[in-house]
Amino acid sequence: GQQLNQSPQSMFIQEGEDVSMNCTSSSIFNTWLWYKQDPGEGPVLLIALYKAGELTSNGRLTAQFGITRKDSFLNISASIPSDVGIYFCAGNTGNQFYFGTGTSLTVIP
Amino acid sequence: DGGITQSPKYLFRKEGQNVTLSCEQNLNHDAMYWYRQDPGQGLRLIYYSQIVNDFQKGDIAEGYSVSREKKESFPLTVTSAQKNPTAFYLCASSPPRPLGTEAFFGQGTRLTVV
Repeated sequence: GQQLNQSPQSMFIQEGEDVSMNCTSSSIFNTWLWYKQDPGEGPVLLIALYKAGELTSNGRLTAQFGITRKDSFLNISASIPSDVGIYFCAGNTGNQFYFGTGTSLTVIP
Repeated sequence: DGGITQSPKYLFRKEGQNVTLSCEQNLNHDAMYWYRQDPGQGLRLIYYSQIVNDFQKGDIAEGYSVSREKKESFPLTVTSAQKNPTAFYLCASSPPRPLGTEAFFGQGTRLTVV
């Protein structure tokens, strides 16, 4: 099965800094999704993107659907300690979902 | 409240035993999925079902079985044929088409072989 290329694999940042992570694919997707997963819990949907070029915000989070439909990025502004966790991207082809390997974010107070 | 409920949260299995993980949703979603998550890896698809009484194998179906007798329920059985079953298992569901572009997850079940 297809896995998306997600980078970086891990990040250690100071509280208040901005964060950026991205996903790329060799395939075109209809939808890009970004999730956050806390240890021992299921992923929670943060942002959904539905068309190429779309830029969507959810509080301090901003995500974009790449124009080629093969990539997406997620930005977190002014990070806080509760942003700690693993962030996953996912692409949807209409039948199945494909997931990135995750970005582990650590925020240092 | 609407959502996806997985149970149990923790499960221990002796070698050679079959165990069944429960997944129930009250979101009226047609599609349901089972994923396996190992440390440092992305989610790998085990089985999925787009409609009641129908399901398809995913990328790592060997050693697993499922049923979809009701729209709300999609239980996963980890059989003794699965040689390395210790993992975190996630169930997800997706709204009916044409809206079926988002997946919503349960809380997960951590299975450990003892």
